[in-house]
Amino acid sequence: GENVEQHPSTLSVQEGDSAVIKCTYSDSASNYFPWYKQELGKGPQLIIDIRSNVGEKKDQRIAVTLNKTAKHFSLHITETQPEDSAVYFCAATDSNYQLIWGAGTKLIIKP
Amino acid sequence: DAGVIQSPRHEVTEMGQEVTLRCKPISGHNSLFWYRQTMMRGLELLIYFNNNVPIDDSGMPEDRFSAKMPNASFSTLKIQPSEPRDSAVYFCASSYGGRLNALENIQYFGAGTRLSVL
Repeated sequence: GENVEQHPSTLSVQEGDSAVIKCTYSDSASNYFPWYKQELGKGPQLIIDIRSNVGEKKDQRIAVTLNKTAKHFSLHITETQPEDSAVYFCAATDSNYQLIWGAGTKLIIKP
Repeated sequence: DAGVIQSPRHEVTEMGQEVTLRCKPISGHNSLFWYRQTMMRGLELLIYFNNNVPIDDSGMPEDRFSAKMPNASFSTLKIQPSEPRDSAVYFCASSYGGRLNALENIQYFGAGTRLSVL
């Protein structure tokens, strides 16, 4: 079955710098890759997603890139701000439309 | 819209007691998901419904767990009897879309119920 690995588990960056979180997946038939942000005491919230027919997608300071050949996708946050501090989860659907979640990355923005 | 509403926000109970968690999905959404989140196991999908019908309950840990969705605006997750290892944050999420690819639609999560079983 599908396996999604997420790295790093914790990422600390200086405010204003960029942050990159990477995920790898195993099922070559995967075609949907969402990223969710979970703030303390809240449920996860979708911030961006990408489908397998697209290589990159941007939304203001957030971008996601997908490399189908290598089976990995990444979240890029530029000009990080204190409100970006949260846990970020990647996920991927497999050939049975099951959504498999990564273990999460705790992003810390240092002032 | 008020979003997905879960109750209670916190629940503390003793081992062996019955626990019922409640969820009101976003109006108009036709899929509902129950998740469990722990430090050890991360975010786990327990069960999901589409048009009030359970589609996949393979994530339900054991027979002590049951879920119902009697109508489009309400769902419950019940644990009977509860055990300390059930302590976790339980999330409900809802989305709109087809049955087959329900998990490929944007999911809107509630704030969760933090369950502590002593």
